[in-house]
Amino acid sequence: EAGVTQFPSHSVIEKGQTVTLRCDPISGHDNLYWYRRVMGKEIKFLLHFVKESKQDESGMPNNRFLAERTGGTYSTLKVQPAELEDSGVYFCASSQDRFYGYTFGSGTRLTVV
Amino acid sequence: GQNIDQPTEMTATEGAIVQINCTYQTSGFNGLFWYQQHAGEAPTFLSYNVLDGLEEKGRFSSFLSRSKGYSYLLLKELQMKDSASYLCADPGNSGNTPLVFGKGTRLSVIA
Repeated sequence: EAGVTQFPSHSVIEKGQTVTLRCDPISGHDNLYWYRRVMGKEIKFLLHFVKESKQDESGMPNNRFLAERTGGTYSTLKVQPAELEDSGVYFCASSQDRFYGYTFGSGTRLTVV
Repeated sequence: GQNIDQPTEMTATEGAIVQINCTYQTSGFNGLFWYQQHAGEAPTFLSYNVLDGLEEKGRFSSFLSRSKGYSYLLLKELQMKDSASYLCADPGNSGNTPLVFGKGTRLSVIA
């Protein structure tokens, strides 16, 4: 089966610009998660979708971040306007049943300059 | 809380055995995960312990003691390709909470 796909793999944008990250989960996986890893720190939870509904968005840093999952398939994470501290690697993961673990995408490395 | 502690870095020799420890604090418990992450790549699932004891999968084994809030990942017959970060992750205390990751242990395997 195809894995979790994220696009783009890298993005360099200027402070104040907008960036949209995309995640295509494994087909049939209802659970979709966004995580972020800032350099030197742990991977931190941002958001959890179950199908198209936001189950938990307690990790979203602020209202500059907007996540959507239209139709319960792929998800987008938009950062608008981007700030320097938003730089990091954004991982998406999906699972059918979380007790079998998550399958992660390769991540999007976002650099805000 | 879900404080998770792991050593930051470890170095071991090819062919040797290494044990990576993880301690955690959580008000409830639904097991513990271990993930491997090579530089620039996605974390990949290694193991999930829900009961106390040792679970073996080839060269990798994972141990859990719920009463002590302690787990370890044991890697045998180390190979150079085992150089990676090893992350322990806590699924928290309810049915659908997301995984909380430790900072990871960067393992360097040397010849």
